[in-house]
Amino acid sequence: AQTVTQSQPEMSVQEAETVTLSCTYDTSESDYYLFWYKQPPSRQMILVIRQEAYKQQNATENRFSVNFQKAAKSFSLKISDSQLGDAAMYFCAYRSHAGGTSYGKLTFGQGTILTVHP
Amino acid sequence: DVKVTQSSRYLVKRTGEKVFLECVQDMDHENMFWYRQDPGLGLRLIYFSYDVKMKEKGDIPEGYSVSREKKERFSLILESASTNQTSMYLCASRQGPGYGYTFGSGTRLTVV
Repeated sequence: AQTVTQSQPEMSVQEAETVTLSCTYDTSESDYYLFWYKQPPSRQMILVIRQEAYKQQNATENRFSVNFQKAAKSFSLKISDSQLGDAAMYFCAYRSHAGGTSYGKLTFGQGTILTVHP
Repeated sequence: DVKVTQSSRYLVKRTGEKVFLECVQDMDHENMFWYRQDPGLGLRLIYFSYDVKMKEKGDIPEGYSVSREKKERFSLILESASTNQTSMYLCASRQGPGYGYTFGSGTRLTVV
């Protein structure tokens, strides 16, 4: 079974600075997807960024980028120019590309609470 | 804008009660999911459904059941609520393989 680990329960950053959230995962599969989700106080889970394992290039979405290290099974999220609106719980998640009993299932990490200081 | 609606934002129930958590999506999505969110544990999959009347157990199905009689509605049932089922429950849906998920805003259930 796949597992996802976020070892940082809480992180903080000053507004306009950069912060990196860590995520490691364990899998025996070679093809899969990785995600970062943001959950603000409204509780609505919002997709931040997605990475396909077969793509070597790291995904980027505006101020958000990832450092995907497949061999190390590491998938960190970098937030540049942090804004007050970035404050939220961030979850790393894994999804198998295969079907069967893993069909569509997202496996989540424990979450990291990000605080942004003005 | 696409929506996944959970019927209650907060719910308080008594131990032993039968509890229904409702989730409705307006996107004609095939797949629907129920997750439970607990501090320090992240989200864990309870049940999912990849089509009407179809269901599959997730990682923590014990004490729960589900119903999907219509495509747009996926219900989570706590047959006999217990205090260890106090948690945040999140519903999600997606159109199918390769598509992204849309989450509801969650139901915070307290069992007393």
